[in-house]
Amino acid sequence: QVQLVESGGGVVQPGRSLRLSCAASGFTFRGYGMHWVRQAPGKGLEWVSLISYDGSKKYYIDSVEGRFTISRDNSKNTLYLEMDSLRAEDTAVYYCSRYDGSLDALDIWGQGTMVTVSS
Amino acid sequence: QSVLTQAPSASGTPGQRVTISCSGSGSSVGSISVHWFQKLPGTAPKLLIYRNNQRPSGVPDRFSGSKSGTSASLAISGLRSEDEADYYCAAWDDSLSAVVFGGGTKLTVL
Repeated sequence: QVQLVESGGGVVQPGRSLRLSCAASGFTFRGYGMHWVRQAPGKGLEWVSLISYDGSKKYYIDSVEGRFTISRDNSKNTLYLEMDSLRAEDTAVYYCSRYDGSLDALDIWGQGTMVTVSS
Repeated sequence: QSVLTQAPSASGTPGQRVTISCSGSGSSVGSISVHWFQKLPGTAPKLLIYRNNQRPSGVPDRFSGSKSGTSASLAISGLRSEDEADYYCAAWDDSLSAVVFGGGTKLTVL
């Protein structure tokens, strides 16, 4: 079935780096744009970044611009989020999501991976 | 700060019809598509409504969406206890080149 599975979360000190992965299965990964969305504890959903189906276009929320890098490997059906210079305010559950152009919406979501930035 | 504004809470009794609103700037809600997501604690967000008023397959027709100008609404009829969740609107904001989410509305079924 169509599935997204995130991994790579954990506890990291401020200023350090972490790379999240999102493994896709059950659909033609290279045909879809992909997004990262996060939810800090007790807070609402916050969009983080998107990458086009071929990796040629990337967008970021202002608060992570220059610190986070989204990428994808279509040969491995995997989406990545490289997070550098992590801050306490980056603590959140990170979800990857598929953008379906026919719906113009984020239709499939992973279960999320928790990132905790703490000394 | 979210550029999409939602009331933080809403409530209703079983069987009742409730409406959750989302208002924003012309560059977001004024855009073509507003979407609605349901978020239960510990689970992934679920797409409820796309393109303002379209339901993905599998979403009950108790859920409906509408949009007028820079405001959008999600209506839930025949309220059930399992509808108790957080509901978020979202849209692409051309001025930010970003997806924006509303702050979320926590729905309580009394």
